[in-house]
Amino acid sequence: EAQVTQNPRYLITVTGKKLTVTCSQNMNHEYMSWYRQDPGLGLRQIYYSMNVEVTDKGDVPEGYKVSRKEKRNFPLILESPSPNQTSLYFCASSLFGSSGNTIYFGEGSWLTVV
Amino acid sequence: AQTVTQSQPEMSVQEAETVTLSCTYDTSENNYYLFWYKQPPSRQMILVIRQEAYKQQNATENRFSVNFQKAAKSFSLKISDSQLGDTAMYFCAFMDLQDSNYQLIWGAGTKLIIKP
Repeated sequence: EAQVTQNPRYLITVTGKKLTVTCSQNMNHEYMSWYRQDPGLGLRQIYYSMNVEVTDKGDVPEGYKVSRKEKRNFPLILESPSPNQTSLYFCASSLFGSSGNTIYFGEGSWLTVV
Repeated sequence: AQTVTQSQPEMSVQEAETVTLSCTYDTSENNYYLFWYKQPPSRQMILVIRQEAYKQQNATENRFSVNFQKAAKSFSLKISDSQLGDTAMYFCAFMDLQDSNYQLIWGAGTKLIIKP
């Protein structure tokens, strides 16, 4: 089954404690991205990756890092989380380039920073 | 910068009624996609319908259809014979095909409640 898997799904952490949200896809997609969802703002892109070792900033990259060492994985790293990073996070993947791509979303990761 | 606006924060209708959700967008590009996503309480993001800007014909998917007005930059979603399972947040999104980022630009969402 084609899927994007995120872990953890739910996490409460403390300010400053480094954490990683993993994202893995089984569809051999080149393109992967991270979004955060906040009330009244919709989703906003944090980082994206066109392929292995190719990553770039989205609209709200501050406080986040990513890596793309393997095609299937695209972890989101919060080096020093702060309360304003409390949000619902989505990982997404798709085939790169051609029109009509289907974008696959993970089930979301609820992160609370206290 | 491209923007997507959903002017209805919340709507409610009776089961079996028809409801239309509004979406407007701002872009100077000519080649793009528009999407409607449904987010039920489970928070999963589910694609409802997609429209290619170069197509004049409005997209339909069973009870879901769109009214795409390119000149007016309007992209409304019509849900016919609404069902309780349609209760969800609905997001309108835009993708500029000239943007190598392939980023989705999202509206703030409309909370739709279907009443029994």
